[in-house]
Amino acid sequence: GQNIDQPTEMTATEGAIVQINCTYQTSGFNGLFWYQQHAGEAPTFLSYNVLDGLEEKGRFSSFLSRSKGYSYLLLKELQMKDSASYLCAVKDSNYQLIWGAGTKLIIKP
Amino acid sequence: DADVTQTPRNRITKTGKRIMLECSQTKGHDRMYWYRQDPGLGLRLIYYSFDVKDINKGEISDGYSVSRQAQAKFSLSLESAIPNQTALYFCATSDSRETGELFFGEGSRLTVL
Repeated sequence: GQNIDQPTEMTATEGAIVQINCTYQTSGFNGLFWYQQHAGEAPTFLSYNVLDGLEEKGRFSSFLSRSKGYSYLLLKELQMKDSASYLCAVKDSNYQLIWGAGTKLIIKP
Repeated sequence: DADVTQTPRNRITKTGKRIMLECSQTKGHDRMYWYRQDPGLGLRLIYYSFDVKDINKGEISDGYSVSRQAQAKFSLSLESAIPNQTALYFCATSDSRETGELFFGEGSRLTVL
């Protein structure tokens, strides 16, 4: 079967750095997405990786290793507004998105 | 105004009632999707449509039906609602010419009593 694993919850301090991991086992791979979702709101796009390596976008970076079935989202200079759930999703061989359950990130002052 | 609009945003109904959730988009995207989200679970795909005449079942289509009335409109129906269909429902769109990034509506919270 297909599976996406992410930690259920993480806690970090305002101003610090946090890394959210995502491991996947899917039938094929055609790209990996990270989305941010505030409680009760719609997910919003953060990043897309299709090749190995690091993609940087402001305070957020996403890394992919296809050989290891692994990705991480790195958030720097954490702000209180970064408190949200972070969803990892993989596009499989049929170009369907397989979603992880999400990681709830709690930011403390 | 939102590019992907869902109505209603909140609905409380009773077991056995027919419910329709509507989605419209102004992004000009060809692909549209319906997902449900339950606490502790990932987004689960109910139905998707790659074009006006194309309808495909997702992983949890039982108890649901859809209609793609136009490129911009995709509605989800629950013919006879049951309590375990209580969830947050999202419509999403994507452009087949792009990476597959999904653009979500604001969500419709459905409670079935």
